[in-house]
Amino acid sequence: AQSVTQLGSHVSVSEGALVLLRCNYSSSVPPYLFWYVQYPNQGLQLLLKYTSAATLVKGINGFEAEFKKSETSFHLTKPSAHMSDAAEYFCDVVRSSASKIIFGSGTRLSIRP
Amino acid sequence: DSGVTQTPKHLITATGQRVTLRCSPRSGDLSVYWYQQSLDQGLQFLIQYYNGEERAKGNILERFSAQQFPDLHSELNLSSLELGDSALYFCASAPSSGGVETQYFGPGTRLLVL
Repeated sequence: AQSVTQLGSHVSVSEGALVLLRCNYSSSVPPYLFWYVQYPNQGLQLLLKYTSAATLVKGINGFEAEFKKSETSFHLTKPSAHMSDAAEYFCDVVRSSASKIIFGSGTRLSIRP
Repeated sequence: DSGVTQTPKHLITATGQRVTLRCSPRSGDLSVYWYQQSLDQGLQFLIQYYNGEERAKGNILERFSAQQFPDLHSELNLSSLELGDSALYFCASAPSSGGVETQYFGPGTRLLVL
């Protein structure tokens, strides 16, 4: 069965510090992987996606994620946090078709001044 | 602004009632996806329509149904509402039918069942 685990429901970092949001998946075959961001009172916005091309994926707003098959991980990073990065982040796994869309439980990112 | 519109923004109703949520996709997008976001269940995929036809089903209850019309807007019908149906309902649109495409999310409809 396919599942997604986001470690840490809440992550807090200082402005300028490294952001690391963790996502692990379980799937019998390599899935497609997405990271979305949700700002307060808004819908989700795609940050980046992995679709079996390059394992290091660059997204918007300076975020990137690396697909590691051996670790079944797709962690999201950003070298230097900005206050505007405060939001909820969701990892999403899709297996070939929309019927297999699974979202993680989300990680709330807080940025300390 | 994603280009996806959802109405109404907020909806308050009572248990046992029926409501209809509406979604207009981005111009040119043929797929519409519906999602439910609640505190206890998180974000769940409900159903996908592509060019008027149901394409994929997720965790959609039998009390819920959806359709996509010839002009490509979609409606999600929720009936026999229960307290636990209170949630944020999002729709998203995409150009075609594959689940791996970039989806563009609307702002959501917040449903409160009293």
